[in-house]
Amino acid sequence: KAGVTQTPRYLIKTRGQQVTLSCSPISGHRSVSWYQQTPGQGLQFLFEYFSETQRNKGNFPGRFSGRQFSNSRSEMNVSTLELGDSALYLCASSSMTGTDRLGGFPDTQYFGPGTRLTVL
Amino acid sequence: GEDVEQSLFLSVREGDSSVINCTYTDSSSTYLYWYKQEPGAGLQLLTYIFSNMDMKQDQRLTVLLNKKDKHLSLRIADTQTGDSAIYFCASGGYQKVTFGTGTKLQVIP
Repeated sequence: KAGVTQTPRYLIKTRGQQVTLSCSPISGHRSVSWYQQTPGQGLQFLFEYFSETQRNKGNFPGRFSGRQFSNSRSEMNVSTLELGDSALYLCASSSMTGTDRLGGFPDTQYFGPGTRLTVL
Repeated sequence: GEDVEQSLFLSVREGDSSVINCTYTDSSSTYLYWYKQEPGAGLQLLTYIFSNMDMKQDQRLTVLLNKKDKHLSLRIADTQTGDSAIYFCASGGYQKVTFGTGTKLQVIP
């Protein structure tokens, strides 16, 4: 079974540009979560999608958005990039149990290798 | 906002037990998690515990939860060099997930 794939693995952008990152979950998984990891802020939860619907969202500005397609692949977009957006962006896929349909956190997660975004 | 705190560093000898501690502030947390991050191997969800449980054991891992004190711990029995990594504690619930800063575990052979 293929793991979680993220593309691209590395990206360099300049301030003010926008960027789109992609995540392909494990086949059959319908939940995809996104995280940002920086040396200063650590690991932070961005958002979670389940069956094309955003169910959970962290405390990030509206410049950060995402979507999920019918095949469960997900994209996240950051507009008007700032230097502070430089980070490792991780996505995780999971299969959800019945108790998690209300929007709870999954009990199994598989992470992708991440996309390293550098904003100059 | 909600906060999760961990000590930054822990050093243990191979074969000893490791105990990594975490405190959190969100009393409404439904789930509490431990993640492991190794260089080159990415992030992985190690284990979790529901907030209505006191303890969970999974092979060499034991998670203890003191809900009254909002204290979570991860015990690794018979610690091996392969356990060297950064361990993140996280608390979560509906629409809220907060991570600790991570504890770097160094295992001395």
